[in-house]
Amino acid sequence: DIQMTQSPSSLSASVGDRVTITCRASQSISNYLTWYQQKLGRAPKLLIYVASSLQSGVPSRFSGSGSGTDFTLTISSLQPEDFATYYCQQSYSPPYTFGQGTKLEIK
Amino acid sequence: QVQLHESGPGLVQPSETLSLTCTVSGASISSYYWSWIRQPPGKGLEWIGYLHYSGITHYNPSLKSRVTISVDTSKNQLSLKLSSVTAADTAVYYCARTLDMGHFDYWGQGALVTVSS
Repeated sequence: DIQMTQSPSSLSASVGDRVTITCRASQSISNYLTWYQQKLGRAPKLLIYVASSLQSGVPSRFSGSGSGTDFTLTISSLQPEDFATYYCQQSYSPPYTFGQGTKLEIK
Repeated sequence: QVQLHESGPGLVQPSETLSLTCTVSGASISSYYWSWIRQPPGKGLEWIGYLHYSGITHYNPSLKSRVTISVDTSKNQLSLKLSSVTAADTAVYYCARTLDMGHFDYWGQGALVTVSS
């Protein structure tokens, strides 16, 4: 299985901050990388697919980059509604696997 | 608007079979791949497997011996069966539409299944 490792596991930030979350794959996954946002008690929400494509309806302050094994999710200016847990997921090779999550908290 | 809704028993006895149904509206179940994903309380996400209505399935090897995913096109429903459950199978179970690049764009609200006697 391809292992996905996110860093950091948790992060404290303030409204207006620029935040970057990293996801590393245990082998090359080309650009088969997706980012999700999950709020407490809710299903994950698709943010970014194929590493850098913004899902329709997702604010442009969210962006993704990377290819191969190293990927990043950037939130350019944090808004109050962005405090949540973020997951990366690889779909290069089944079984599809997720990172362990990054919990973004209010400082 | 695509909507998915999971349903089934919220409590299952150890060693029994967990059965869930996902009802899809706003999209034909015959047009996409569909996945089941689970999340133990307070933990991360685990992909269980996917199915295409044509019969193509792919299961997570960690669960393969116990999982069956099937589809009822007449009802636009997806189902999940997980046999010989233990407390480790306690989780929120999600169904999700799976696109060609393997990402999940629409999710159900999730169904909490607790395995306990």
